[in-house]
Amino acid sequence: DIQMTQSPSSLSASVGDRVTITCRASQSITTYLNWYQVGPGKAPKLLIYAASSLQSGVPSRFSGSGSGTDFTLTISSLQPEDFATYYCQQCSSTPITFGQGTRLEIK
Amino acid sequence: EVQLLESGGGLVQPGGSLRLSCAASGFTFSSYAMNWVRQAPGKGLEWVSSIRNTGGGTYYADSVKGRFTISRDNSKNTLYLQMSSLRADDTAVYYCAKSKPYGTGWYGANDYWGQGTLVTVSS
Repeated sequence: DIQMTQSPSSLSASVGDRVTITCRASQSITTYLNWYQVGPGKAPKLLIYAASSLQSGVPSRFSGSGSGTDFTLTISSLQPEDFATYYCQQCSSTPITFGQGTRLEIK
Repeated sequence: EVQLLESGGGLVQPGGSLRLSCAASGFTFSSYAMNWVRQAPGKGLEWVSSIRNTGGGTYYADSVKGRFTISRDNSKNTLYLQMSSLRADDTAVYYCAKSKPYGTGWYGANDYWGQGTLVTVSS
């Protein structure tokens, strides 16, 4: 199974900050990597697919990069609605696996 | 507008069974793989099971293999998850999610999600 490790597990930041979350795969997944946002009591929302493609309707302050085993999600200027938990997901092979999540909190 | 509406959750005793349904609308259901993902209270997301668009391929997490069965009825635009031998650690919100394939992969990303249905396994 491919293990996905996110860092940090939690992060405190302020509105307007630039934030980066990293995700590492235990083996190469080329660019079969997705990022999701989960707000309190809400269903997950797809932000980035194929490592760097922005899902339709997602603000351009979100961006993704990486390939192979190392990936990043960047939020260029945090907005109040961005405080949530973020997950990476590999879809290179089954079992599909998620990172443990990064909780983004208001400083 | 794509909509996914789960139903069938509830309280069940350990060892019991439950069937979840997911009614889909707003897209050509028979063209896409479909999936179940769960989130236990206070925990992260966990992939549970997937089924290819024709129903010809099914996949399961080790934690549910042999106990859960995924199926679909393309004539009714509905996805199912039959759960048996339920355990306390199956307690979670279960989400139905549509696949958005890309590259050469069949799974892709989960671009639409339902609101989830809560399954509680407790005596």
